[in-house]
Amino acid sequence: GENVEQHPSTLSVQEGDSAVIKCTYSDSASNYFPWYKQELGKGPQLIIDIRSNVGEKKDQRIAVTLNKTAKHFSLHITETQPEDSAVYFCAASLAYSGAGSYQLTFGKGTKLSVIP
Amino acid sequence: GAVVSQHPSRVICKSGTSVKIECRSLDFQATTMFWYRQFPKQSLMLMATSNEGSKATYEQGVEKDKFLINHASLTLSTLTVTSAHPEDSSFYICSARDLRQGALYEQYFGPGTRLTVT
Repeated sequence: GENVEQHPSTLSVQEGDSAVIKCTYSDSASNYFPWYKQELGKGPQLIIDIRSNVGEKKDQRIAVTLNKTAKHFSLHITETQPEDSAVYFCAASLAYSGAGSYQLTFGKGTKLSVIP
Repeated sequence: GAVVSQHPSRVICKSGTSVKIECRSLDFQATTMFWYRQFPKQSLMLMATSNEGSKATYEQGVEKDKFLINHASLTLSTLTVTSAHPEDSSFYICSARDLRQGALYEQYFGPGTRLTVT
Protein backbone atom coordinates (compact mmCIF):
# COMPACT_ATOMS: atom_id res chain seq x y z
CA GLY A 1 0.00 0.00 0.00
CA GLU A 2 0.86 3.66 -0.15
CA ASN A 3 3.16 5.18 2.46
CA VAL A 4 3.55 8.92 2.92
CA GLU A 5 6.40 10.49 4.87
CA GLN A 6 6.16 14.12 5.94
CA HIS A 7 8.87 16.45 7.24
CA PRO A 8 9.42 18.35 9.40
CA SER A 9 7.06 17.43 12.23
CA THR A 10 7.30 20.95 13.65
CA LEU A 11 8.27 24.20 11.99
CA SER A 12 8.59 27.69 13.46
CA VAL A 13 9.03 30.71 11.25
CA GLN A 14 8.98 34.45 11.74
CA GLU A 15 6.01 36.30 10.37
CA GLY A 16 6.68 37.25 6.79
CA ASP A 17 9.13 34.44 6.15
CA SER A 18 8.44 31.42 3.95
CA ALA A 19 7.60 27.93 5.13
CA VAL A 20 8.23 24.70 3.25
CA ILE A 21 6.86 21.29 4.12
CA LYS A 22 7.96 18.21 2.23
CA CYS A 23 6.36 14.83 1.63
CA THR A 24 7.45 11.67 -0.12
CA TYR A 25 5.24 8.84 -1.29
CA SER A 26 5.95 5.24 -2.18
CA ASP A 27 3.33 4.21 -4.76
CA SER A 28 4.26 5.47 -8.22
CA ALA A 29 0.64 4.96 -9.30
CA SER A 30 -0.63 7.72 -6.99
CA ASN A 31 -1.90 10.64 -9.01
CA TYR A 32 -3.57 13.04 -6.59
CA PHE A 33 -1.82 14.98 -3.83
CA PRO A 34 -3.89 17.29 -1.61
CA TRP A 35 -2.76 19.41 1.30
CA TYR A 36 -4.96 20.03 4.30
CA LYS A 37 -4.79 22.61 7.08
CA GLN A 38 -6.19 21.61 10.45
CA GLU A 39 -6.76 24.09 13.24
CA LEU A 40 -7.13 22.92 16.81
CA GLY A 41 -10.43 21.12 17.40
CA LYS A 42 -11.53 21.38 13.79
CA GLY A 43 -11.65 19.15 10.76
CA PRO A 44 -9.04 19.32 8.00
CA GLN A 45 -9.56 21.98 5.35
CA LEU A 46 -8.39 21.41 1.79
CA ILE A 47 -6.07 24.28 0.91
CA ILE A 48 -4.49 23.17 -2.34
CA ASP A 49 -4.02 20.03 -4.38
CA ILE A 50 -2.08 18.86 -7.38
CA ARG A 51 -2.53 16.10 -9.89
CA SER A 52 0.23 14.06 -11.41
CA ASN A 53 -0.03 15.68 -14.81
CA VAL A 54 1.03 19.03 -13.32
CA GLY A 55 4.40 19.97 -11.82
CA GLU A 56 3.42 23.09 -9.92
CA LYS A 57 0.29 24.87 -8.79
CA LYS A 58 -0.07 28.21 -7.06
CA ASP A 59 -2.90 29.93 -5.23
CA GLN A 60 -1.96 33.33 -3.85
CA ARG A 61 0.58 32.72 -1.05
CA ILE A 62 0.38 28.95 -1.30
CA ALA A 63 2.09 26.75 -3.87
CA VAL A 64 2.63 23.04 -4.29
CA THR A 65 5.28 21.35 -6.38
CA LEU A 66 5.40 17.75 -7.50
CA ASN A 67 8.35 15.69 -8.66
CA LYS A 68 6.96 12.41 -9.97
CA THR A 69 10.34 10.94 -10.71
CA ALA A 70 11.55 11.42 -7.17
CA LYS A 71 8.07 10.80 -5.75
CA HIS A 72 7.98 13.85 -3.59
CA PHE A 73 5.84 16.94 -3.32
CA SER A 74 6.13 20.09 -1.27
CA LEU A 75 3.96 22.84 0.15
CA HIS A 76 5.31 26.38 0.03
CA ILE A 77 3.74 29.21 2.01
CA THR A 78 5.14 32.68 1.40
CA GLU A 79 4.73 35.81 3.50
CA THR A 80 3.51 33.77 6.43
CA GLN A 81 0.99 35.28 8.83
CA PRO A 82 0.04 34.28 12.38
CA GLU A 83 -3.24 32.84 11.08
CA ASP A 84 -1.24 30.34 9.06
CA SER A 85 -0.34 28.63 12.34
CA ALA A 86 -1.93 25.17 12.26
CA VAL A 87 -1.16 21.54 11.55
CA TYR A 88 -0.68 20.77 7.87
CA PHE A 89 -1.18 17.31 6.41
CA CYS A 90 -0.14 16.06 3.03
CA ALA A 91 -1.87 13.10 1.43
CA ALA A 92 -1.56 10.89 -1.61
CA SER A 93 -4.10 8.87 -3.50
CA LEU A 94 -4.85 6.96 -6.65
CA ALA A 95 -7.93 8.90 -7.69
CA TYR A 96 -10.06 8.42 -10.74
CA SER A 97 -13.13 9.94 -12.26
CA GLY A 98 -16.54 8.44 -11.89
CA ALA A 99 -18.30 7.00 -8.92
CA GLY A 100 -16.33 4.88 -6.56
CA SER A 101 -14.13 5.07 -3.55
CA TYR A 102 -10.49 5.88 -3.27
CA GLN A 103 -8.43 6.31 -0.18
CA LEU A 104 -6.24 9.14 0.97
CA THR A 105 -3.05 8.15 2.74
CA PHE A 106 -1.96 10.94 5.06
CA GLY A 107 1.40 12.06 6.29
CA LYS A 108 1.85 12.47 10.02
CA GLY A 109 1.44 16.22 9.92
CA THR A 110 3.54 19.33 10.44
CA LYS A 111 2.77 21.79 13.20
CA LEU A 112 3.53 25.22 11.80
CA SER A 113 3.97 28.12 14.20
CA VAL A 114 4.26 31.62 12.80
CA ILE A 115 5.85 33.94 15.32
CA PRO A 116 4.62 37.55 15.18
CA GLY B 1 -17.24 25.24 -1.97
CA ALA B 2 -18.42 21.88 -0.79
CA VAL B 3 -19.62 21.80 2.81
CA VAL B 4 -19.75 18.79 5.09
CA SER B 5 -21.38 18.98 8.49
CA GLN B 6 -21.23 16.70 11.49
CA HIS B 7 -23.50 16.38 14.46
CA PRO B 8 -22.93 16.49 17.33
CA SER B 9 -19.70 18.43 17.59
CA ARG B 10 -19.09 17.11 21.09
CA VAL B 11 -20.62 14.24 23.02
CA ILE B 12 -19.96 12.74 26.41
CA CYS B 13 -21.41 9.35 27.17
CA LYS B 14 -21.14 6.71 29.82
CA SER B 15 -19.29 3.48 29.30
CA GLY B 16 -21.51 0.81 27.79
CA THR B 17 -23.85 3.15 25.97
CA SER B 18 -24.07 3.79 22.22
CA VAL B 19 -23.50 7.05 20.39
CA LYS B 20 -24.55 8.04 16.88
CA ILE B 21 -22.65 10.60 14.83
CA GLU B 22 -24.16 12.10 11.67
CA CYS B 23 -22.28 13.30 8.64
CA ARG B 24 -24.04 15.33 5.97
CA SER B 25 -22.95 16.79 2.66
CA LEU B 26 -24.89 20.06 2.55
CA ASP B 27 -24.57 21.28 -1.00
CA PHE B 28 -23.55 18.25 -2.99
CA GLN B 29 -24.28 14.57 -3.32
CA ALA B 30 -21.76 12.05 -2.12
CA THR B 31 -22.02 8.40 -3.05
CA THR B 32 -18.93 7.77 -0.96
CA MET B 33 -18.15 9.03 2.51
CA PHE B 34 -15.22 8.19 4.71
CA TRP B 35 -14.88 7.92 8.47
CA TYR B 36 -11.63 8.75 10.22
CA ARG B 37 -10.41 8.66 13.76
CA GLN B 38 -7.78 11.01 15.10
CA PHE B 39 -5.98 10.79 18.42
CA PRO B 40 -4.34 13.88 19.92
CA LYS B 41 -1.32 15.10 17.98
CA GLN B 42 -1.64 12.28 15.49
CA SER B 43 -2.67 11.93 11.89
CA LEU B 44 -6.01 10.79 10.55
CA MET B 45 -6.60 7.06 10.47
CA LEU B 46 -9.18 5.77 8.02
CA MET B 47 -11.73 3.56 9.75
CA ALA B 48 -14.12 2.73 6.95
CA THR B 49 -15.43 3.70 3.55
CA SER B 50 -19.16 4.19 3.34
CA ASN B 51 -20.96 3.70 0.05
CA GLU B 52 -24.56 4.78 -0.42
CA GLY B 53 -26.89 1.83 -0.48
CA SER B 54 -24.30 -0.81 0.33
CA LYS B 55 -22.28 -2.12 3.22
CA ALA B 56 -19.32 -0.17 4.45
CA THR B 57 -15.79 -1.36 3.87
CA TYR B 58 -13.78 -1.43 7.08
CA GLU B 59 -10.05 -1.06 7.45
CA GLN B 60 -8.05 -3.81 9.03
CA GLY B 61 -8.32 -3.76 12.77
CA VAL B 62 -11.58 -1.82 12.90
CA GLU B 63 -14.42 -3.79 14.45
CA LYS B 64 -17.44 -3.54 12.19
CA ASP B 65 -19.81 -4.69 14.93
CA LYS B 66 -18.59 -1.94 17.20
CA PHE B 67 -18.53 0.87 14.67
CA LEU B 68 -21.77 0.61 12.73
CA ILE B 69 -21.94 2.67 9.57
CA ASN B 70 -25.07 3.44 7.61
CA HIS B 71 -25.16 5.42 4.38
CA ALA B 72 -28.85 5.57 3.61
CA SER B 73 -28.87 8.55 1.25
CA LEU B 74 -26.57 10.53 -1.00
CA THR B 75 -26.17 13.21 1.65
CA LEU B 76 -26.13 11.34 4.96
CA SER B 77 -23.89 8.77 6.59
CA THR B 78 -23.99 7.79 10.25
CA LEU B 79 -21.42 6.21 12.53
CA THR B 80 -22.69 4.49 15.66
CA VAL B 81 -20.20 3.58 18.34
CA THR B 82 -21.80 0.70 20.20
CA SER B 83 -21.06 -0.25 23.80
CA ALA B 84 -18.58 2.58 24.04
CA HIS B 85 -15.57 2.31 26.31
CA PRO B 86 -13.08 4.97 27.46
CA GLU B 87 -10.57 3.80 24.84
CA ASP B 88 -13.09 4.80 22.16
CA SER B 89 -12.69 8.43 23.22
CA SER B 90 -11.31 10.23 20.20
CA PHE B 91 -11.96 12.81 17.51
CA TYR B 92 -14.08 11.31 14.74
CA ILE B 93 -14.09 13.00 11.36
CA CYS B 94 -16.05 12.21 8.23
CA SER B 95 -15.31 13.25 4.68
CA ALA B 96 -17.19 13.12 1.43
CA ARG B 97 -16.18 13.02 -2.18
CA ASP B 98 -17.72 15.64 -4.41
CA LEU B 99 -18.88 14.01 -7.61
CA ARG B 100 -19.87 17.17 -9.41
CA GLN B 101 -18.35 17.93 -12.76
CA GLY B 102 -14.83 19.27 -12.39
CA ALA B 103 -14.51 18.14 -8.79
CA LEU B 104 -13.94 14.45 -9.18
CA TYR B 105 -10.91 14.14 -6.98
CA GLU B 106 -11.53 16.39 -4.02
CA GLN B 107 -12.45 15.06 -0.63
CA TYR B 108 -14.00 17.46 1.87
CA PHE B 109 -13.95 16.98 5.60
CA GLY B 110 -16.49 17.67 8.29
CA PRO B 111 -15.64 19.65 11.44
CA GLY B 112 -15.27 16.52 13.54
CA THR B 113 -16.97 15.09 16.61
CA ARG B 114 -15.19 14.91 19.94
CA LEU B 115 -16.32 11.76 21.76
CA THR B 116 -15.54 11.34 25.43
CA VAL B 117 -16.53 8.11 27.15
CA THR B 118 -16.55 8.23 30.93
